[in-house]
Amino acid sequence: AAGVIQSPRHLIKEKRETATLKCYPIPRHDTVYWYQQGPGQDPQFLISFYEKMQSDKGSIPDRFSAQQFSDYHSELNMSSLELGDSALYFCASTRTRYRGSSYNSPLHFGNGTRLTVT
Amino acid sequence: DQQVKQNSPSLSVQEGRISILNCDYTNSMFDYFLWYKKYPAEGPTFLISISSIKDKNEDGRFTVFLNKSAKHLSLHIVPSQPGDSAVYFCAAAGRGGADGLTFGKGTHLIIQP
Repeated sequence: AAGVIQSPRHLIKEKRETATLKCYPIPRHDTVYWYQQGPGQDPQFLISFYEKMQSDKGSIPDRFSAQQFSDYHSELNMSSLELGDSALYFCASTRTRYRGSSYNSPLHFGNGTRLTVT
Repeated sequence: DQQVKQNSPSLSVQEGRISILNCDYTNSMFDYFLWYKKYPAEGPTFLISISSIKDKNEDGRFTVFLNKSAKHLSLHIVPSQPGDSAVYFCAAAGRGGADGLTFGKGTHLIIQP
């Protein structure tokens, strides 16, 4: 079965550079989530999109932005990178059956993009 | 403030025995709980979930128990197998809350032969 695809798998950037991470959800999934997992930390929710509109925002810095495109893929744009942005970035997708309810399909995660800022 | 807590960073269990992973939460708005399993270099994989209207959900070797009054849930794996060695994340979602899941910090389960 098709899974969530993230690219690139690894990315090395210098401080103050920009980075773009891509996420291709499972076909027919309309909701995408971005998570950041620092070393030894739990995944932290950044932002989500439902039907190409921003759905909710978590602990996403103002330097980051994201969008979901007409084909449902999503991109996370990160600018003015800092050393502390080094982390694993996961994208997850689901098909939202009940808007505003927590009883939706479980999230399916991609294998993540490991971003290293030097 | 950690709303979902997994107080055991690691747990070692002998193959064939029962593995019990624990999770506590503080937010009474959470009404849906999930367990994810994560191998190195892979994303979390959904294992099992439970809604707050139930106190138990079973799927093969995996059973999740929910004690709402204690704000506690646990994942039981019986019997434990070597392939179960991974990091297990407890996650929660709530009515009217953020769409995103709130994760615990994970418990590294090691199955010993």
